[in-house]
Amino acid sequence: RKEVEQDPGPFNVPEGATVAFNCTYSNSASQSFFWYRQDCRKEPKLLMSVYSSGNEDGRFTAQLNRASQYISLLIRDSKLSDSATYLCVVNILRQNNLFFGTGTRLTVIP
Amino acid sequence: NAGVTQTPKFQVLKTGQSMTLQCAQDMNHNSMYWYRQDPGMGLRLIYYSASEGTTDKGEVPNGYNVSRLNKREFSLRLESAAPSQTSVYFCASRDRDTGELFFGEGSRLTVL
Repeated sequence: RKEVEQDPGPFNVPEGATVAFNCTYSNSASQSFFWYRQDCRKEPKLLMSVYSSGNEDGRFTAQLNRASQYISLLIRDSKLSDSATYLCVVNILRQNNLFFGTGTRLTVIP
Repeated sequence: NAGVTQTPKFQVLKTGQSMTLQCAQDMNHNSMYWYRQDPGMGLRLIYYSASEGTTDKGEVPNGYNVSRLNKREFSLRLESAAPSQTSVYFCASRDRDTGELFFGEGSRLTVL
């Protein structure tokens, strides 16, 4: 079973729409959670960390549900520039590795 | 501010050839990583180095070797390239305080 699972999409949404991605993780010892953004043929870059209480950064909101072992990313008022692949990343306690989901591809349509 | 620099950006090899991917970071991070990214597979860890002088296998280490030359540099070597090693390779270093990974721009390797 994969450590991290994501719906690969693609999600095609119109500008201004709200879109949400979910990601599930299998190891209850998972400790740290992140969302990364990867543009086509580029390297992944940190979008935001995910905190237990949930956190918001402008149009982006990340939430963690430890009981159900999933994290979510909500994007409000989608912009064309939000088109990218969003990677869910999990760090397990006492492991130096970070586990990546396969990514969810978002295309925002004019 | 260079961050993580990896070379080469592109390489074409024939089966059986060897090559080394170079990676350097200027952020004074202890931990460094090599990942490969394939369609539908996500990023998979090849090797990592928690600190200078140590290296450990990741999920997919077969066919690769690494060297942590010093705190800045972490190289990945393919001794005898195979078509299955055609992939995009990313080097990364990690901020111990925030947990954030910083990636290089990637190296696209094709093995014919």
